[in-house]
Amino acid sequence: DARVTQTPRHKVTEMGQEVTMRCQPILGHNTVFWYRQTMMQGLELLAYFRNRAPLDDSGMPKDRFSAEMPDATLATLKIQPSEPRDSAVYFCASGRGVESPLHFGNGTRLTVT
Amino acid sequence: GQQLNQSPQSMFIQEGEDVSMNCTSSSIFNTWLWYKQDPGEGPVLLIALYKAGELTSNGRLTAQFGITRKDSFLNISASIPSDVGIYFCAGQDNFNKFYFGSGTKLNVKP
Repeated sequence: DARVTQTPRHKVTEMGQEVTMRCQPILGHNTVFWYRQTMMQGLELLAYFRNRAPLDDSGMPKDRFSAEMPDATLATLKIQPSEPRDSAVYFCASGRGVESPLHFGNGTRLTVT
Repeated sequence: GQQLNQSPQSMFIQEGEDVSMNCTSSSIFNTWLWYKQDPGEGPVLLIALYKAGELTSNGRLTAQFGITRKDSFLNISASIPSDVGIYFCAGQDNFNKFYFGSGTKLNVKP
């Protein structure tokens, strides 16, 4: 079965450090979503791409977060500088667009100390 | 953003019992999805619904897309221990964005 691949699975870093999370969407999928999951907030939408173009990143703290798709096989989410409140599980998901479900990766568990 | 209200928050049931959970939204959605998440993993798609009124089954799971397009339910029949996990509903709006409910944590006692 095709799967969304996320790396790294776990990341522990100190406050102030840069963090980069990577996602390989399923081949042929043209939409990519980044979500953050915490116990308190559930699954929050951070950013959304279609055909590699960012369509919505209103859920992202703009001063420290950035999301890009350098090519169709790679999406990145960067945090610089990281803060303890960024500790969460970050999920990438991809899909084929309208009336098509999202398929999730297994996430990157980020801990910022 | 959109608000999805998912209930119940958690359930403790006996193996063999049936389970029902639902989601409601203040806005219309074009697609309703149901996912299950196990610890340490990403949500896995269970059922996708694309038309108002649609009733779809996947094994012991049955889900319906509400006629108003603002709600959906998921039923699990004859629960088994491996049904344990967190179930999420999700709705897709006109802009192709997906919004998630807060999840229903299911516990099944053997």
